[in-house]
Amino acid sequence: GENVEQHPSTLSVQEGDSAVIKCTYSDSASNYFPWYKQELGKRPQLIIDIRSNVGEKKDQRIAVTLNKTAKHFSLHITETQPEDSAVYFCAGYSGGGADGLTFGKGTHLIIQP
Amino acid sequence: DAGVTQSPTHLIKTRGQQVTLRCSPKSGHDTVSWYQQALGQGPQFIFQYYEEEERQRGNFPDRFSGHQFPNYSSELNVNALLLGDSALYLCASSFGDSNQPQHFGDGTRLSIL
Repeated sequence: GENVEQHPSTLSVQEGDSAVIKCTYSDSASNYFPWYKQELGKRPQLIIDIRSNVGEKKDQRIAVTLNKTAKHFSLHITETQPEDSAVYFCAGYSGGGADGLTFGKGTHLIIQP
Repeated sequence: DAGVTQSPTHLIKTRGQQVTLRCSPKSGHDTVSWYQQALGQGPQFIFQYYEEEERQRGNFPDRFSGHQFPNYSSELNVNALLLGDSALYLCASSFGDSNQPQHFGDGTRLSIL
């Protein structure tokens, strides 16, 4: 089945700086890659997603890039704000597989004022 | 527009007991997926229901079973509870194919004593 690795486990950045979280996946058949933000005690919230036929997608301060050859994808957050502090999870879906969404272990993003 | 709702919010059980968790999908969604999230980990896929049938299943024992009703709501049942079943159980809904965006509920926090 699919295996998703996520790095770093903790990321601390100054407010206003950019943050980058990276994930790799193992199944070359994977075709859908969402990112979720989870604040303490709250539900995972879908913030952006990308499909395998697209290399990059942007939504305001958030962007995701996908490199199918290297089997890795990244989340980029620009002009970070205190409300960006949360745990971020990447996930992959292996088309036709039996594993549903496979999640990474999460990155705790800390925005320093 | 009602989002994904889950009940109960919290539940305390003892080893060997059985539990039923409930989920109502977001309006317009017909697919329900269940995940188990241990503390400090990413969600782990249990199974997915579509058209009242289990469409996909993750690596969970048969003690975990589910059901989907004609109104698309779903139940997760766990028999013979173990201490290791203590976790946050998340329901996510989506529309149609398995690789469509999934939206999560707030989860049920299950504690086994």
